Amino acid sequence: GENVEQHPSTLSVQEGDSAVIKCTYSDSASNYFPWYKQELGKGPQLIIDIRSNVGEKKDQRIAVTLNKTAKHFSLHITETQPEDSAVYFCAASGKTSYDKVIFGPGTSLSVIP
Amino acid sequence: DTGVSQNPRHKITKRGQNVTFRCDPISEHNRLYWYRQTLGQGPEFLTYFQNEAQLEKSRLLSDRFSAERPKGSFSTLEIQRTEQGDSAMYLCASSLEAGSFFGQGTRLTVV
Repeated sequence: GENVEQHPSTLSVQEGDSAVIKCTYSDSASNYFPWYKQELGKGPQLIIDIRSNVGEKKDQRIAVTLNKTAKHFSLHITETQPEDSAVYFCAASGKTSYDKVIFGPGTSLSVIP
Repeated sequence: DTGVSQNPRHKITKRGQNVTFRCDPISEHNRLYWYRQTLGQGPEFLTYFQNEAQLEKSRLLSDRFSAERPKGSFSTLEIQRTEQGDSAMYLCASSLEAGSFFGQGTRLTVV
């Protein structure tokens, strides 16, 4: 089955700096890669996703890149703000985007004002 | 609020008791998922439904766990004879096309 690894496990950045979270996946059949943000006491919130036929996708301060050959994908947050502080999960899904999502272990991001 | 709704938000139960959680998905979503999340970990897949059909169950879903979605709308997750290891956040998600939308979860504490 699919296995998703994520690094780093914790990340601290100064407000205004960029943050990068990297993930790898094992199943070459996976073709949908969502990213979730989870704040304390809340459920995960979908913030951006990318399909395997796209190498990069951007939404305001958030961008994701995907290298299918290397089975790597990354989340980039620019101009970080204190409200970006949360746990971020990368995930992978196989065959179609309707299949179950396999999550990475998470990255705790702290943005220091 | 038209998001995924889960009840109760918190549940404390004694070991050996049965508990049931409810999930109301986004109304037009035909797929519904249950996940379990323990502290410091990512959510782990338990099971999912397309309409009323349960299409997949994880090995994590022991015979003490059962999930239903009788009319293809809301779903229930029941845990029988709870154990301390069942203490976790139980998350429900629904989807129609791309992307799953999660509820706030039910935090179960078994004492």
